[in-house]
Amino acid sequence: GQQLNQSPQSMFIQEGEDVSMNCTSSSIFNTWLWYKQDPGEGPVLLIALYKAGELTSNGRLTAQFGITRKDSFLNISASIPSDVGIYFCAGSSGSARQLTFGSGTQLTVLP
Amino acid sequence: DAGVIQSPRHEVTEMGQEVTLRCKPISGHDYLFWYRQTMMRGLELLIYFNNNVPIDDSGMPEDRFSAKMPNASFSTLKIQPSEPRDSAVYFCASSLSGSSSYEQYFGPGTRLTVT
Repeated sequence: GQQLNQSPQSMFIQEGEDVSMNCTSSSIFNTWLWYKQDPGEGPVLLIALYKAGELTSNGRLTAQFGITRKDSFLNISASIPSDVGIYFCAGSSGSARQLTFGSGTQLTVLP
Repeated sequence: DAGVIQSPRHEVTEMGQEVTLRCKPISGHDYLFWYRQTMMRGLELLIYFNNNVPIDDSGMPEDRFSAKMPNASFSTLKIQPSEPRDSAVYFCASSLSGSSSYEQYFGPGTRLTVT
């Protein structure tokens, strides 16, 4: 089946720093989404991308749909303590509604 | 607006017992998904429904697992009999058909522990 490689697995950064994480796939995706999961909660949708090359922002978060359709990036600017959590990429190809999820990036923001 | 509602939030049961997890999707959403999350395997899609009809159940681990959606506002995931390896967090998610139908909204999950 389809697999997403998400990196890095974990990140430790200082408050105020910018963060970048990415997802790559061996196959083409038509849709990329980014989610954040806090402990004990379900994933929360952050950004959805539908077109190759698309760059979309949501506050301090910016995500891009790679031109090759095989990758996506998420950037967080000026990190704050509440950015702590696990960030997941997810993708979909074809007309099916299933999402394939990456393994997640655990983000820790140090004061 | 209420999001996806799941119950119970926590369930502890003994091996061999029947477990039923419940989900109420966002009102008006016509897709419903059941996922399982573990440290080893991450988020796995078990089954999904469209307009109350199961579309793809290829992710259901085995015959011990079954899911139903009797109406647009309620779904259940049943495990009978439960085994320790079923311990995981089970999520329900819903989405709305249309241009943004890939955007799935998750419930808070049910943490299942089978002893």
